[in-house]
Amino acid sequence: AQTVTQSQPEMSVQEAETVTLSCTYDTSESNYYLFWYKQPPSRQMILVIRQEAYKQQNATENRFSVNFQKAAKSFSLKISDSQLGDTAMYFCAFMKPNDMRFGAGTRLTVKP
Amino acid sequence: NAGVTQTPKFQVLKTGQSMTLQCAQDMNHNSMYWYRQDPGMGLRLIYYSASEGTTDKGEVPNGYNVSRLNKREFSLRLESAAPSQTSVYFCASSEGGRGLFFGEGSRLTVL
Repeated sequence: AQTVTQSQPEMSVQEAETVTLSCTYDTSESNYYLFWYKQPPSRQMILVIRQEAYKQQNATENRFSVNFQKAAKSFSLKISDSQLGDTAMYFCAFMKPNDMRFGAGTRLTVKP
Repeated sequence: NAGVTQTPKFQVLKTGQSMTLQCAQDMNHNSMYWYRQDPGMGLRLIYYSASEGTTDKGEVPNGYNVSRLNKREFSLRLESAAPSQTSVYFCASSEGGRGLFFGEGSRLTVL
């Protein structure tokens, strides 16, 4: 079974600074997808960014980017120019067909 | 666009009572899922349905049953609720590798 590990239960960052959230995973699959989801206090799960494992190029979505190291099974999320609205739980997720597994989450607080 | 709709949003049960969480999606997705979220444990997969008429167990299926009523609807039933089933439940749907689209969650408390 796939496992996803987020080793940082909580992090904080000053507004406008950059922060990196870590994620590692374990799988024997060769084709899969990786995701970061954001969960603000509203409880809604919001897709932040997606990475296809067969693509070497790291995904980028505006202020959010990933560092995908397939051999190391590492998938970190970098948030640039942090904003107060980025305060949320962030979940790393691994997906193969019809099965998505999540890490335990990192609670990020952006301080003014 | 409604996306994924789940009901009810909140429910309080007594131990031993039964209930059904309803979920419907309007995105024509083949796959649907039920997760539970507990503090410090992320989201754990209860059951999933790869297509209409099929269901499969996930990580934590014990105490739950599901029904894929049609392509749109996927319900989760607790036959005899236990305090350990106090949690937030999420329904989701997907198509291919685009990721999961989630409902707003249902908070269930079992006393």
